[in-house]
Amino acid sequence: GQNIDQPTEMTATEGAIVQINCTYQTSGFNGLFWYQQHAGEAPTFLSYNVLDGLEEKGRFSSFLSRSKGYSYLLLKELQMKDSASYLCAAPFGSGYNKLIFGAGTRLAVHP
Amino acid sequence: SAVISQKPSRDICQRGTSLTIQCQVDSQVTMMFWYRQQPGQSLTLIATANQGSEATYESGFVIDKFPISRPNLTFSTLTVSNMSPEDSSIYLCSAQGSGDPETGYGYTFGSGTRLTVV
Repeated sequence: GQNIDQPTEMTATEGAIVQINCTYQTSGFNGLFWYQQHAGEAPTFLSYNVLDGLEEKGRFSSFLSRSKGYSYLLLKELQMKDSASYLCAAPFGSGYNKLIFGAGTRLAVHP
Repeated sequence: SAVISQKPSRDICQRGTSLTIQCQVDSQVTMMFWYRQQPGQSLTLIATANQGSEATYESGFVIDKFPISRPNLTFSTLTVSNMSPEDSSIYLCSAQGSGDPETGYGYTFGSGTRLTVV
């Protein structure tokens, strides 16, 4: 079966660093996605990891360990606009075309 | 990535009625999907909309309740049938077109339809 776990809520202070963790169990593996979703809006793509290690994209970085079934999203220099839900997702199905999502982590950034 | 227009953006419906949600993509895409997102929760895949054939439903979702059409490579509809208050949710259309890892392999989402059943 497929299962993705991530914390429900996190809070952080403006300017700080926050790490959002995601653990996954999937039959087969074809990468891991991170999406950002502001309330009432569509999810938007942040990152995709298929190999172990850290991928850095400006203030956002994503890490993957395939042997541990673990990923994290690292947000640096937090801004108020980073308050959103962060969704971890993995492809599944015979063609790995479908996405299964974790429950999402609601991040609240405070001044 | 493709851009998705989804309508209506919200609706309030009476129980027992049906609502059809439309999803229009600005370019031809290989795959189209429908998700449900209940308040404060993540996305659950309802079905894959297949062009020219019956949709493929995930466990817990059936065609009689959620009939789906996909007449071409840019358009799909989801109908929520015989609605009850438990169907109150956000329904999102998604598409996968061409794309590389840097752009998330072309997965994109509509802004969703917020449905309230009273």
